[in-house]
Amino acid sequence: SQQGEEDPQALSIQEGENATMNCSYKTSINNLQWYRQNSGRGLVHLILIRSNEREKHSGRLRVTLDTSKKSSSLLITASRAADTASYFCATERNTGTASKLTFGTGTRLQVTL
Amino acid sequence: DTGVSQDPRHKITKRGQNVTFRCDPISEHNRLYWYRQTLGQGPEFLTYFQNEAQLEKSRLLSDRFSAERPKGSFSTLEIQRTEQGDSAMYLCASLLGLQETQYFGPGTRLLVL
Repeated sequence: SQQGEEDPQALSIQEGENATMNCSYKTSINNLQWYRQNSGRGLVHLILIRSNEREKHSGRLRVTLDTSKKSSSLLITASRAADTASYFCATERNTGTASKLTFGTGTRLQVTL
Repeated sequence: DTGVSQDPRHKITKRGQNVTFRCDPISEHNRLYWYRQTLGQGPEFLTYFQNEAQLEKSRLLSDRFSAERPKGSFSTLEIQRTEQGDSAMYLCASLLGLQETQYFGPGTRLLVL
């Protein structure tokens, strides 16, 4: 089952604008990760934030984590057409022997010229 | 290209047929995951291998599904007596030791007619 929801489900912006996506989850976690998926392809890891971190940056990406609210946000600054993709948050927690990822429902981002 | 390969990339089959997918992880990655992704949803965990041992299986993995990793390298996922509800993208991911980032393959898209 999905861990939580992502908001918005779809987002359309113009090149150069910032894109913000939000993720909510339900249980305690070890870390939260963001992945990108181009249409019909595999997932590419973008950034990981641990449960004891509040903010992290990587290039044009900024992710925040609020464990009290069980939520995270991903900000993509100065968006480009190549950023068009679906973005998924995924939480990791140790259950049994597998540190498996539980994904959200995704945000479809469209960046137009 | 993450270094994880999957074969075939696409498979169309008739209901009731058996299908087998292969995943080649990044060499030396001892941990391997299978996920299933239906249209418009995030991936869902199916099963996990550490070396050749299958250590965890999701309740999503009915008795028609079987996965193996005989030598701790490549893995296969077989679906017997396919049903239309099995139509999905099947994703494989690998990682090494205590790493937290999973490296995903491009996926196998299955369509059951």
